[in-house]
Amino acid sequence: AQRVTQPEKLLSVFKGAPVELKCNYSYSGSPELFWYVQYSRQRLQLLLRHISRESIKGFTADLNKGETSFHLKKPFAQEEDSAMYYCALRNSGGSNYKLTFGKGTLLTVNP
Amino acid sequence: DVKVTQSSRYLVKRTGEKVFLECVQDMDHENMFWYRQDPGLGLRLIYFSYDVKMKEKGDIPEGYSVSREKKERFSLILESASTNQTSMYLCASSPWGGGSYEQYFGPGTRLTVT
Repeated sequence: AQRVTQPEKLLSVFKGAPVELKCNYSYSGSPELFWYVQYSRQRLQLLLRHISRESIKGFTADLNKGETSFHLKKPFAQEEDSAMYYCALRNSGGSNYKLTFGKGTLLTVNP
Repeated sequence: DVKVTQSSRYLVKRTGEKVFLECVQDMDHENMFWYRQDPGLGLRLIYFSYDVKMKEKGDIPEGYSVSREKKERFSLILESASTNQTSMYLCASSPWGGGSYEQYFGPGTRLTVT
């Protein structure tokens, strides 16, 4: 069964410090992973996907198949990065448009 | 700009009532989803639909049903609301194929069952 694990429910850092939100997955095939973000009083939205290999708002995430991880990183956190972050894995097989979400990590960036 | 709208932001219902949550998307997406979002539990899929009148159970379908009579509209029905269904309900849509599996979310409906 597919599973996405985000080991930290809460993460608190100071402005300007590096931040890493952890995501591990279990999956037997070739994974496709995403990070979604929900800012306060806003709707959940896509932050980035691993196949794009892009940096969004200074965030990057590298897929490490050996460690089955897809950690989200930013070298210098900003207060506006405070939000709930969800890692998600795309299902394979017949229902390949479904996503399996982790339980989320609430990031707080302190001034 | 993709728009997914939900009929209510806040809803308060009594135990045993039948509750309808409506979701509408304007991007002609084939796939639509209903999740519930609870602190510490993340997003859990209740039901999804990949076409009009087609539906599949998600991870926690018990106590819920859905209806998709038109492509743009996906309804979640609580047949007899219970207090453990108090939650934030999120609707999402996504296109079929094309390499994009991004899901677009609505603003959510916070349902309280008393």
